[in-house]
Amino acid sequence: GEDVEQSLFLSVREGDSSVINCTYTDSSSTYLYWYKQEPGAGLQLLTYIFSNMDMKQDQRLTVLLNKKDKHLSLRIADTQTGDSAIYFCAASQAGTALIFGKGTTLSVSS
Amino acid sequence: EAGVVQSPRYKIIEKKQPVAFWCNPISGHNTLYWYLQNLGQGPELLIRYENEEAVDDSQLPKDRFSAERLKGVDSTLKIQPAELGDSAVYLCASSRTREKTQYFGPGTRLLVL
Repeated sequence: GEDVEQSLFLSVREGDSSVINCTYTDSSSTYLYWYKQEPGAGLQLLTYIFSNMDMKQDQRLTVLLNKKDKHLSLRIADTQTGDSAIYFCAASQAGTALIFGKGTTLSVSS
Repeated sequence: EAGVVQSPRYKIIEKKQPVAFWCNPISGHNTLYWYLQNLGQGPELLIRYENEEAVDDSQLPKDRFSAERLKGVDSTLKIQPAELGDSAVYLCASSRTREKTQYFGPGTRLLVL
């Protein structure tokens, strides 16, 4: 089955760019997602990318997908203290369960 | 539109006691998911419903966990009896049938003492 791996921690300074990386194993996963979880809250969908795309940009967020290497990244431009949270990478086929990584804790210092 | 609603938000019980969680999905969403999130981990699927039918319950520990979605709308997840290791966050999510986007509720945080 699918296995999703992420680095566990990332620390950046306010105003810098953050890059969170993720790898997955199942090439049949058709959708790849980034969710954000703040303390005590549920998961907020940030963005997703279809497996036949290389890049998707949405305001400060840029998602890059290297399908050959099964590598996904999320770049947050001009990172703010409010971006401090846990970021989850997830993979799925449409209408099926999401397979999540363990999450990357992003710490933003001012 | 209103988001996914879950209750209670927090629950503290003693081991061996029963507990139930409730979820009301977004209106019009036929697919409902229950996920378990242990501390420091990503969510893992417990059960997926299409309308009132459980189409994927392979990860649900059926000796103590049960779930129902009788009218194909809201759903209840039950644990009986609860064990210390059940302390976790129970997340509910919903989507339109075979749609790519799942929307999550705030979760129920369970502490078993």
